[in-house]
Amino acid sequence: SQQGEEDPQALSIQEGENATMNCSYKTSINNLQWYRQNSGRGLVHLILIRSNEREKHSGRLRVTLDTSKKSSSLLITASRAADTASYFCATAPTSFYNQGGKLIFGQGTELSVKP
Amino acid sequence: GAVVSQHPSRVICKSGTSVKIECRSLDFQATTMFWYRQFPKQSLMLMATSNEGSKATYEQGVEKDKFLINHASLTLSTLTVTSAHPEDSSFYICSARGRQVNQPQHFGDGTRLSIL
Repeated sequence: SQQGEEDPQALSIQEGENATMNCSYKTSINNLQWYRQNSGRGLVHLILIRSNEREKHSGRLRVTLDTSKKSSSLLITASRAADTASYFCATAPTSFYNQGGKLIFGQGTELSVKP
Repeated sequence: GAVVSQHPSRVICKSGTSVKIECRSLDFQATTMFWYRQFPKQSLMLMATSNEGSKATYEQGVEKDKFLINHASLTLSTLTVTSAHPEDSSFYICSARGRQVNQPQHFGDGTRLSIL
């Protein structure tokens, strides 16, 4: 079952602005990952944050994780038109070692960055 | 970075045809591969998990006889949609991962399957 819920479902911003996407989940996790999908393409891994980490950075990306609230956020700073894509969070439940490491994907946020 | 090649990218065929989709890891050994299905504007739904040399583990509600998965080597997994019907039309995506369970998954570019 899908346990990740993302908010907002769609986000439209101007180039240069920051974009924030949120993800909530229901069960305990080992880690949480963010992926990006360009239209009609596969997913690209962006960042992985472990359950004992609170914040992680990668270039213009900043991910936070609050396990007490079972939520994560992805911040893209100084957005560019090329950032236009769908962004998905994926959770690895604590049982995932026994389940082949399968991930549960959220519904995604469709980001549109206007030049 | 790790590269996964999925082929074909697009298939259009008649109802009743069986379609085979290949997923190859080009520069790493894929101990585990995953097959997903994605409907327009929706998330990925995991269909099955396959480990090299073992039978695939299917998610609840996925017909094993309909969606045949073979993972015969550390670089290749195939999904065969048998006797495909229009309701099987969808975007199918594979991903591959190395031996460590907490590594990210690397995705192919997907296959758009259209059954007429």
